[in-house]
Amino acid sequence: EAQVTQNPRYLITVTGKKLTVTCSQNMNHEYMSWYRQDPGLGLRQIYYSMNVEVTDKGDVPEGYKVSRKEKRNFPLILESPSPNQTSLYFCASSLGVMGYGYTFGSGTRLTVV
Amino acid sequence: DQQVKQNSPSLSVQEGRISILNCDYTNSMFDYFLWYKKYPAEGPTFLISISSIKDKNEDGRFTVFLNKSAKHLSLHIVPSQPGDSAVYFCAAGGGADGLTFGKGTHLIIQP
Repeated sequence: EAQVTQNPRYLITVTGKKLTVTCSQNMNHEYMSWYRQDPGLGLRQIYYSMNVEVTDKGDVPEGYKVSRKEKRNFPLILESPSPNQTSLYFCASSLGVMGYGYTFGSGTRLTVV
Repeated sequence: DQQVKQNSPSLSVQEGRISILNCDYTNSMFDYFLWYKKYPAEGPTFLISISSIKDKNEDGRFTVFLNKSAKHLSLHIVPSQPGDSAVYFCAAGGGADGLTFGKGTHLIIQP
């Protein structure tokens, strides 16, 4: 089944404790992206990657890192999480960036206390 | 600055009637537009798209209209069904930096 898999689905952590949210897709998509969804703010792009070893900042990259060492994986890293990073996170992938619909993962609900 | 705007946070429509969701954009470089549907506890799912060379695209009960001069697009759902109750996101793209999403409209279909 073609899908984007995120782990974990739910995570509660403490301020300053490094964490990684994994994202994997099995569709051989070149384009991958991370979004966060917050009440009243919709979906905002954190980082995106057009291919292996190519990553770029989105609209809200502060406090996040990503890497794209393999085509299928695009982990989101929070080196020192803070409470304002409490959010619902979605990973998405696409064949390309122009005009193709994204396939989204099921989301990761992160709470930083 | 919000480049994609959905000005109605929620919309209530009676089952069987037409639902019309609206979206405005400010960036003239956008050349393709998409609508996504999201249920609680799930990721958004792609619904329908339209490129800037067209003014209408239809897929079953869903039709998207694009008015480039007004920088406005709309999603029509007819007839509306209970399963259509969800949050709908409008998205736009035109460059290498992916999609820009609106804040979403919560559509409620009343029996």
